[in-house]
Amino acid sequence: QVQLEESGPGLVKPSQTLSLTCFVSGGSISSGDYYWSWIRQPPGKGLEWIGYISYSGSTYYNPSLKSRVTISVDTSKKQFSLKLSSVTAADTAVYYCARDLDYYTGGYYYRYFDLWGRGTLVTVSS
Amino acid sequence: DIQMTQSPSSLSASVGDRVTITCRASHSISKYLDWYQQKPGRAPNLLIYGASSLQSGVPSRFSGSGSGTAFTLTISRLQPEDFATYYCQQSYSTPWTFGQGTKVEIK
Repeated sequence: QVQLEESGPGLVKPSQTLSLTCFVSGGSISSGDYYWSWIRQPPGKGLEWIGYISYSGSTYYNPSLKSRVTISVDTSKKQFSLKLSSVTAADTAVYYCARDLDYYTGGYYYRYFDLWGRGTLVTVSS
Repeated sequence: DIQMTQSPSSLSASVGDRVTITCRASHSISKYLDWYQQKPGRAPNLLIYGASSLQSGVPSRFSGSGSGTAFTLTISRLQPEDFATYYCQQSYSTPWTFGQGTKVEIK
């Protein structure tokens, strides 16, 4: 079955750029039914959606992070990536990649995260 | 941004209890409300989408209702594996936003 797996450094220095990659295995990344999202969760806190990308490269970023975020996709490698620049301790979190399904039924287009990676903890510290 | 507010923030319940969690949106979101369950050290898992549609593989003791600005998640008979944190999330307009979570603990 389809699985997502995040990879990247677990420790980033303040002011540097956080870089993570999510690999999609067991299925296609190039379906128009899906968007590919990044979501984060600071230790002991709630969930914050960072942004998404389509297989064709269309993106939407959370305005709260937009100035520092870049999400890209490489369909040939079946992976999508997150870059977050100028990090501070407030960016310390578990970062999840997730499949954001666009599902039409009964006259509605529903969107939901139907598949998640295990998450990777990124600590921002000198 | 649409703000999502859950209540209560935490609750204690016993196995077999009926549990209800409420989620309110700052603006009307029609039926575009999803519920997730998260266990410690694990990624969230989708339970309900479109306010009331049960995700495949999720036990039928979970149900969702509501529309507009007020929604509920109900667990009809709480099981030991249901002790977790539950999040609502609106999928009406970007940026997608989550509630702060409701932790269901053992009484």
